[in-house]
Amino acid sequence: DADVTQTPRNRITKTGKRIMLECSQTKGHDRMYWYRQDPGLGLRLIYYSFDVKDINKGEISDGYSVSRQAQAKFSLSLESAIPNQTALYFCATSDWTEGQETQYFGPGTRLLVL
Amino acid sequence: AQTVTQSQPEMSVQEAETVTLSCTYDTSESDYYLFWYKQPPSRQMILVIRQEAYKQQNATENRFSVNFQKAAKSFSLKISDSQLGDAAMYFCAYRSTFYNAGNMLTFGGGTRLMVKP
Repeated sequence: DADVTQTPRNRITKTGKRIMLECSQTKGHDRMYWYRQDPGLGLRLIYYSFDVKDINKGEISDGYSVSRQAQAKFSLSLESAIPNQTALYFCATSDWTEGQETQYFGPGTRLLVL
Repeated sequence: AQTVTQSQPEMSVQEAETVTLSCTYDTSESDYYLFWYKQPPSRQMILVIRQEAYKQQNATENRFSVNFQKAAKSFSLKISDSQLGDAAMYFCAYRSTFYNAGNMLTFGGGTRLMVKP
């Protein structure tokens, strides 16, 4: 059973289209994150949310928006997709246990913008 | 801003042998966390090992261990008795302890590890 799920797993879209990537978690964590992965660059943070009313921009938020609909759901939108947004997108949650924070990643969404 | 560098885009190791993946980072902070993540072909990001900067003892998790050199800002991962299932992309990551940093993980570019039978 997957604790962090992402839909869709793969998506092909055209330049200018609006698309939404969805993330759900059953872990009950308050903190959620969206990253994108590009070859040779590792993962970079797009947005993060510490709770439903707390949303913050990450390192590369331009061209993206997010919505935290509930504790368990955190969606990423591309208002007008462009080819350089072709990447692998990861959602993550995190918790603190015994003074240590651990991030748990979803399976990723591969997005291709034509 | 912190940066993380993995200078080896690809590495290969013979099954049952030992391999070391390199990672260096740049920071002005004295307290932070370092991580190694594994990404197999399934794309799932899996935490392999973590190190807290204020702890001098190197972290160990079964066949995985780190060599943490704080002064040199180096954090290498050693995989002993390599197995075919160890083949994956490995990412080194840094996280600040400061709340305002949003608990953001800063990742290196990754090292692809191939394991030869």
